[in-house]
Amino acid sequence: SQQGEEDPQALSIQEGENATMNCSYKTSINNLQWYRQNSGRGLVHLILIRSNEREKHSGRLRVTLDTSKKSSSLLITASRAADTASYFCATDISGTYKYIFGTGTRLKVLA
Amino acid sequence: NAGVTQTPKFRVLKTGQSMTLLCAQDMNHEYMYWYRQDPGMGLRLIHYSVGEGTTAKGEVPDGYNVSRLKKQNFLLGLESAAPSQTSVYFCASAGFESYEQYFGPGTRLTVT
Repeated sequence: SQQGEEDPQALSIQEGENATMNCSYKTSINNLQWYRQNSGRGLVHLILIRSNEREKHSGRLRVTLDTSKKSSSLLITASRAADTASYFCATDISGTYKYIFGTGTRLKVLA
Repeated sequence: NAGVTQTPKFRVLKTGQSMTLLCAQDMNHEYMYWYRQDPGMGLRLIHYSVGEGTTAKGEVPDGYNVSRLKKQNFLLGLESAAPSQTSVYFCASAGFESYEQYFGPGTRLTVT
């Protein structure tokens, strides 16, 4: 069974709008990461947030983490057509080096 | 600096055949991972390694074996391929306590 579940499964927005996607997980974590995957390619790391952090920013990305609700959100501001991709959250299994990926959100940004 | 490379990029096997997928990284990373990705799904962890000579099972290890004889290489073997193993296989590596995983380009495997 997968640790992370993203929602929505798919999201379509206009260029310039903000995109928000959510991730829920089941067990205790040390950190949570977000990755991007362009069609058929390998994943690219976007941002990591540790369990003792509540919010983190990187460029147009903003990630929040609520460990009491076991959930995280990724906000992409001022989206661009180039942001079209699938986005995955990944959570570590506390005490191990294993990571479990969610099912992903497919984002389409229309020009 | 090539990062993470995977060999081969594509392969078609008949049921019952065997093959080995090779993953190589040149970043001196301690941790290496093998995942599979099926259509519309996230990545599922097959096996992983926390250092040279060590391997451990992930979520879906059945039907696969791995070896990490050298720090830079992580091999994934299919002893007797089955159609259910048709998938895209990704290798990844991560440095000691850095957590960020670097992914290879993937191997698209079809078992007929």
